[in-house]
Amino acid sequence: DTEVTQTPKHLVMGMTNKKSLKCEQHMGHRAMYWYKQKAKKPPELMFVYSYEKLSINESVPSRFSPECPNSSLLNLHLHALQPEDSALYLCASSQDEESRKLFFGSGTQLSVL
Amino acid sequence: SQQGEEDPQALSIQEGENATMNCSYKTSINNLQWYRQNSGRGLVHLILIRSNEREKHSGRLRVTLDTSKKSSSLLITASRAADTASYFCATAVQGAQKLVFGQGTRLTINP
Repeated sequence: DTEVTQTPKHLVMGMTNKKSLKCEQHMGHRAMYWYKQKAKKPPELMFVYSYEKLSINESVPSRFSPECPNSSLLNLHLHALQPEDSALYLCASSQDEESRKLFFGSGTQLSVL
Repeated sequence: SQQGEEDPQALSIQEGENATMNCSYKTSINNLQWYRQNSGRGLVHLILIRSNEREKHSGRLRVTLDTSKKSSSLLITASRAADTASYFCATAVQGAQKLVFGQGTRLTINP
């Protein structure tokens, strides 16, 4: 299994809602990542988890809260988002933080109204 | 901050022609990678070239790396309509624990 699975594929939420994005991989990878991508722009790193511990937070606003319950799962909890947070949110994994060859999920297209 | 600059930003060619896109970067790297992204989808890893390598091939892909000029190129030979996508270079910067993506080249293959 060489897939990274993200759910949901699409999400529309209001600014007062709380929602979560989910990501799962069964490749035994020990590093997992959240990226944010605006249209026609490159992915921008948000968070990195290495061996289930947060290793990088790229100064992301606290309305985004990551969680790594175990080595296969990665969540991104969303609360009180702004319309400018609308974007494609991509999850990725790699064998470890050193290998840096990333396997990406298909993403969650988020719209904040 | 993004350290990769790619050119051209957009490229449109006929099916069967070769497509070349370039990437420049600013700092010392451990490796450079190329990824493909179909519209609204996740990125797919294409090829990785290490800083001590000058050229690498994978199927119809040829990647070169010139560390003295801090640049890389991706050549896709005998292009197909299915190659239509955005292509991103990404650098593993020495001393930094993250991959930094370039701005990308949008490639359109016309049948």
